[in-house]
Amino acid sequence: ETGVTQTPRHLVMGMTNKKSLKCEQHLGHNAMYWYKQSAKKPLELMFVYNFKEQTENNSVPSRFSPECPNSSHLFLHLHTLQPEDSALYLCASSQESPNQPQHFGDGTRLSIL
Amino acid sequence: GQNIDQPTEMTATEGAIVQINCTYQTSGFNGLFWYQQHAGEAPTFLSYNVLDGLEEKGRFSSFLSRSKGYSYLLLKELQMKDSASYLCAVSPKAFNKFYFGSGTKLNVKP
Repeated sequence: ETGVTQTPRHLVMGMTNKKSLKCEQHLGHNAMYWYKQSAKKPLELMFVYNFKEQTENNSVPSRFSPECPNSSHLFLHLHTLQPEDSALYLCASSQESPNQPQHFGDGTRLSIL
Repeated sequence: GQNIDQPTEMTATEGAIVQINCTYQTSGFNGLFWYQQHAGEAPTFLSYNVLDGLEEKGRFSSFLSRSKGYSYLLLKELQMKDSASYLCAVSPKAFNKFYFGSGTKLNVKP
């Protein structure tokens, strides 16, 4: 148990569907992150939120839309995704401080048909 | 751009010692992290280095040389449960932005 919970764990969707990934952290952290993890590739930072404000958008296509209603919850809204978007999507949280590690959820395994 | 390099895969024997290297080239440096990730699970934090030298935590140690852009993770008395991927991550700015290597898959054999 990492203190960061992601749902669903697995998701299969067609290219025309709309779905959302959810992340919740119970650690009292004030920064939250979305990462994409593809096989044999580094973790790719997608979005960063500090105190509910988006501070980083790492050139992510607009078909991915993040939402952070409060410091404990983070969503990733998906629409008209492409097959190359199939990957493991990881949520993480941390304190906004230089030497503080990130705590990751178990991820959502996304498959686009 | 930011560049973090790690070997793709390593194999070692139970009870032995293994060293996993990480080299980095980033615009700025504010710390290096090592994470362990078992298949299908979340990455979990192992160690943090910001100053040169060795940090020891039980069976795991991590070393940093900032002038060489180099770190290693040392695992002693290997156990089967140490079979996992090990991720090196660098924070080039003060905080909240991290660049990860592709990870090193460690296979521990009996």
